[in-house]
Amino acid sequence: DAGVTQSPTHLIKTRGQQVTLRCSPKSGHDTVSWYQQALGQGPQFIFQYYEEEERQRGNFPDRFSGHQFPNYSSELNVNALLLGDSALYLCASNREHYGYTFGSGTRLTVV
Amino acid sequence: AQSVTQPDIHITVSEGASLELRCNYSYGATPYLFWYVQSPGQGLQLLLKYFSGDTLVQGIKGFEAEFKRSQSSFNLRKPSVHWSDAAEYFCAVGARSGGYNKLIFGAGTRLAVHP
Repeated sequence: DAGVTQSPTHLIKTRGQQVTLRCSPKSGHDTVSWYQQALGQGPQFIFQYYEEEERQRGNFPDRFSGHQFPNYSSELNVNALLLGDSALYLCASNREHYGYTFGSGTRLTVV
Repeated sequence: AQSVTQPDIHITVSEGASLELRCNYSYGATPYLFWYVQSPGQGLQLLLKYFSGDTLVQGIKGFEAEFKRSQSSFNLRKPSVHWSDAAEYFCAVGARSGGYNKLIFGAGTRLAVHP
């Protein structure tokens, strides 16, 4: 049974560009959350999607947006990239309360 | 404000020695409590969690953690460390109410194991 799948694993973008990260949840999971993990820091909650709606949002600017599709997969979009957006972006899925499964992440480097 | 503090950024122990990683939290009420481990290039793996009941929680890989309400702590322990335990460890808290699953993480403790 596949866990959480994220793509791509690595990418490099230039300041000002836009990026889309993708996440396929674990089979049976219907909720997807995104976290940003800067180097040397713990993950920070970006937002959570359930039934294709953003259910909760962390302290991130509107440049960060997301989407959840009917098959529960999700995308994270970041516009107008800043150097400070360089981080590991983790996707986590769950069905029951706090039953998270994390993906291995997408390493984004902004130059 | 809700927060999690892991006072030790980096810990080095010898293989076979005991381990204790500290975690303190600041929260309005008793939260759900978690410990996760992250190996290089990997996502987070749940070691154990505390929701209610016995304050000593057993997890995977021989880890355990003790919830102490009076100290707002949830320290992780292992009696004998293996070289494969070298990784980054994160303590996290989650709200009991609201129907949501947002986790607040500490900054992590990096564990190095000497042979």
